[in-house]
Amino acid sequence: AQSVTQLGSHVSVSEGALVLLRCNYSSSVPPYLFWYVQYPNQGLQLLLKYTSAATLVKGINGFEAEFKKSETSFHLTKPSAHMSDAAEYFCAVSATGHSNYQLIWGAGTKLIIKP
Amino acid sequence: DAGVTQSPTHLIKTRGQHVTLRCSPISGHKSVSWYQQVLGQGPQFIFQYYEKEERGRGNFPDRFSARQFPNYSSELNVNALLLGDSALYLCASTIAPQGHQETQYFGPGTRLLVL
Repeated sequence: AQSVTQLGSHVSVSEGALVLLRCNYSSSVPPYLFWYVQYPNQGLQLLLKYTSAATLVKGINGFEAEFKKSETSFHLTKPSAHMSDAAEYFCAVSATGHSNYQLIWGAGTKLIIKP
Repeated sequence: DAGVTQSPTHLIKTRGQHVTLRCSPISGHKSVSWYQQVLGQGPQFIFQYYEKEERGRGNFPDRFSARQFPNYSSELNVNALLLGDSALYLCASTIAPQGHQETQYFGPGTRLLVL
């Protein structure tokens, strides 16, 4: 069975600093991995996804993530944080072995940007 | 083009009542999935529908049911509401459940409060 672990329920960084949000997955088959962002009182918006084409994936708003099979990780980074990045970020894996392609989600990491 | 739309945006019910939540997918999308997101947690998969047929069901009791209409819109019904059903209910659409790399597009959600 697949699972996702996000380390740190809250991450606080200063504006302009590096953002690093951690995601580790468990999967017995090659995974498809996603990062979504959720702004307050809104739905989920796709940031980027890994589909085995390239290990370094670039997404919207300057975010990128690197798939590392040896570490079973898919950490999300952004070189310079902006106040508008304050939101909750979710890592998810597509549940292979199911015909319904459901997503299995981490618990989320709330990103706080300090001025 | 409009994104995924959900109605109502907010809802307050009392224990024992039933509720119907509605979702309209992106035009051209034929598959709809429902997720429950309890405060402070990641979403949990409830159902997926494609071409009016149920393609998958998560670990939810029979009080939860859904259906998809010929125009691909969908309803989620919850009977005999419990306090623990209080959550944000998210609808996501895809063109078709063609593969695990398929991106799911989410609506803004319906926030249900059960008193």
